[in-house]
Amino acid sequence: EPEVTQTPSHQVTQMGQEVILRCVPISNHLYFYWYRQILGQKVEFLVSFYNNEISEKSEIFDDQFSVERPDGSNFTLKIRSTKLEDSAMYFCASRVEGYTEAFFGQGTRLTVV
Amino acid sequence: AQKVTQAQTEISVVEKEDVTLDCVYETRDTTYYLFWYKQPPSGELVFLIRRNSFDEQNEISGRYSWNFQKSTSSFNFTITASQVVDSAVYFCALSEPNTGNQFYFGTGTSLTVIP
Repeated sequence: EPEVTQTPSHQVTQMGQEVILRCVPISNHLYFYWYRQILGQKVEFLVSFYNNEISEKSEIFDDQFSVERPDGSNFTLKIRSTKLEDSAMYFCASRVEGYTEAFFGQGTRLTVV
Repeated sequence: AQKVTQAQTEISVVEKEDVTLDCVYETRDTTYYLFWYKQPPSGELVFLIRRNSFDEQNEISGRYSWNFQKSTSSFNFTITASQVVDSAVYFCALSEPNTGNQFYFGTGTSLTVIP
């Protein structure tokens, strides 16, 4: 069964360092998302991406964040200068055209120390 | 304002009991979608069900059932004869086409099924 794949599953980084979280969406999906879940809290929307550009972004998604689809299969989230409060589980999701469910990856747990 | 409210933070039941997880949503759109996701201790989000705003028919899938009532803006989830493997955090979510189909998640209900 096709699935969204995220790497790495866990990343530890020092404050101020750049991190890139990687996602491989399901191959025929056209809409891509990043969500964040701070430990014990709800899942929060960060950004949506369609047709090679950002379609929506939340207040959380400031200038420190960027997304890219570098090669037609990967979908990445970059955090330029990590802060302690960036520690969270980051979920990638994708869906097909139309109003359907999003399929989520297993998440990347980012720990900023 | 919260678009999705899950008032129950934690619920504990004894195995084989039925349990209902509540979800109340808020939207001005006439077209919207409601979802339930399960998050087991391993952390991934597992899709359970999608409902569109035009389909109020309740749905049953094995031990799971969902009660969608537009009149009360609720989309409740019932697990019948609960099992230990049902222990997880359950999230209700709303998606609105007019806001790019992003998901608005509730705060989740942590369900513990005691053997």
